[in-house]
Amino acid sequence: SAVISQKPSRDICQRGTSLTIQCQVDSQVTMMFWYRQQPGQSLTLIATANQGSEATYESGFVIDKFPISRPNLTFSTLTVSNMSPEDSSIYLCSAGTVLTLEAFFGQGTRLTVV
Amino acid sequence: DAKTTQPPSMDCAEGRAANLPCNHSTISGNEYVYWYRQIHSQGPQYIIHGLKNNETNEMASLIITEDRKSSTLILPHATLRDTAVYYCIPSGFGNEKLTFGTGTRLTIIP
Repeated sequence: SAVISQKPSRDICQRGTSLTIQCQVDSQVTMMFWYRQQPGQSLTLIATANQGSEATYESGFVIDKFPISRPNLTFSTLTVSNMSPEDSSIYLCSAGTVLTLEAFFGQGTRLTVV
Repeated sequence: DAKTTQPPSMDCAEGRAANLPCNHSTISGNEYVYWYRQIHSQGPQYIIHGLKNNETNEMASLIITEDRKSSTLILPHATLRDTAVYYCIPSGFGNEKLTFGTGTRLTIIP
C-alpha cells in the first residue's frame, strides 16, 4: 500500500494569486495523477504527472493554468495559477504502481478563492 | 472509456445488506470492474475489484454478471460508517487513470 500526504489540507486565497499543492507518497510509485472535485460533483482528472517530463493534460485543462512538476518517484506539485472563484474545489492527488491492484488517494486540498 | 450507470442514491438500514448495482455495458475485455467509495471530506478509498469471477474481501463482495455488462457491490452488514458515495469504475490496474462517474450516494439509516 501507499500513504499519500497532501499539503496544504485547505486554504483560502485571493483571486489573481497562485497556490502550489504538494503531494508526497511514502513509497516509489509509477504513476501520479491530479484530480479536481468541484462542489457537489464527482472527480475529474486534470493530468498525469510524469516523472522527468511534462505532464499529460486532459481535455479542458492546460499547463499555463495548472502547471505540474514531478521531480522524482515520490513527489509531485500542482499549481493553480491566476485563481478565480471558479477554481474553488477540492484537489486530490492519486498514485499507483504496476504492482498495486488499486489507486491510492490523498485526503485532498480544499481551496476557496475569494 | 467505458460508461457506467449507477442509481444516484440509495438508503439501507443499519445491519442489513446493502446492494449497489452498476451497469457497464461498454466495458472492454481487458478491463476490471473496480469499486471505490468516498466518505465525506476524504479521498476515495479502494473497496474491491474483479474481472469476471465473483470476489469477496473483508469489506465487500462483488458479483459480476456472466456477460460482464453489470455488477453488484454487496456490503453484507452495513454500518453508519458505510455512508458514502460509491463509484463503479471499469479500469486496468492501479497504475491507470480513473474515470469517475456520478456514483451512488448510499445512506445507512440507524
